[in-house]
Amino acid sequence: NAGVMQNPRHLVRRRGQEARLRCSPMKGHSHVYWYRQLPEEGLKFMVYLQKENIIDESGMPKERFSAEFPKEGPSILRIQQVVRGDSAAYFCASSRQGSTTEAFFGQGTRLTVV
Amino acid sequence: GESVGLHLPTLSVQEGDNSIINCAYSNSASDYFIWYKQESGKGPQFIIDIRSNMDKRQGQRVTVLLNKTVKHLSLQIAATQPGDSAVYFCAENMGSSNTGKLIFGQGTTLQVKP
Repeated sequence: NAGVMQNPRHLVRRRGQEARLRCSPMKGHSHVYWYRQLPEEGLKFMVYLQKENIIDESGMPKERFSAEFPKEGPSILRIQQVVRGDSAAYFCASSRQGSTTEAFFGQGTRLTVV
Repeated sequence: GESVGLHLPTLSVQEGDNSIINCAYSNSASDYFIWYKQESGKGPQFIIDIRSNMDKRQGQRVTVLLNKTVKHLSLQIAATQPGDSAVYFCAENMGSSNTGKLIFGQGTTLQVKP
């Protein structure tokens, strides 16, 4: 049973480009969470999604960032017109039910904006 | 600002000694707390959790203590091993909303000296 899969593991983008980060939850998990981690800091909640629904996006920047979790396929975190401040590690977690009691994290995508 | 914070950024212990990592939280409504271990380049790994109706929970070599009076959480690692070297984060889930949103602390780096 594979864990939470994120890809790519490393992503380099030039300022102004778009970044797409993918997350495949664990088998049987229908709840996905995205977190961002800056160097030497803890993880900051961004968004919580269920299949085809955004449940809580209180941590998402108002502009340039969007997330989806379609009926089929992985969850996508999309960052448009990236800036250097977007450089961070982005982690996805999934759970079977609507809580984090059994949430498992992926290995993260490290985004570098040059 | 962050409602969860750690007292010490770095803890250095001798192999075989016990380690104690502390965490303070400010939200009295939080009802669920988790400790995560994060090794370099990896995602957070669940260690142990505790609910607010408990004050102590034990796992394999780890114990979590919760003091709701002073809003303090600690992680005790017995007989610390080199493999325990990592950054440790406490996190809280404000369960009343149960949206899956975890608030993470800044992290404590545990260094185990052979």
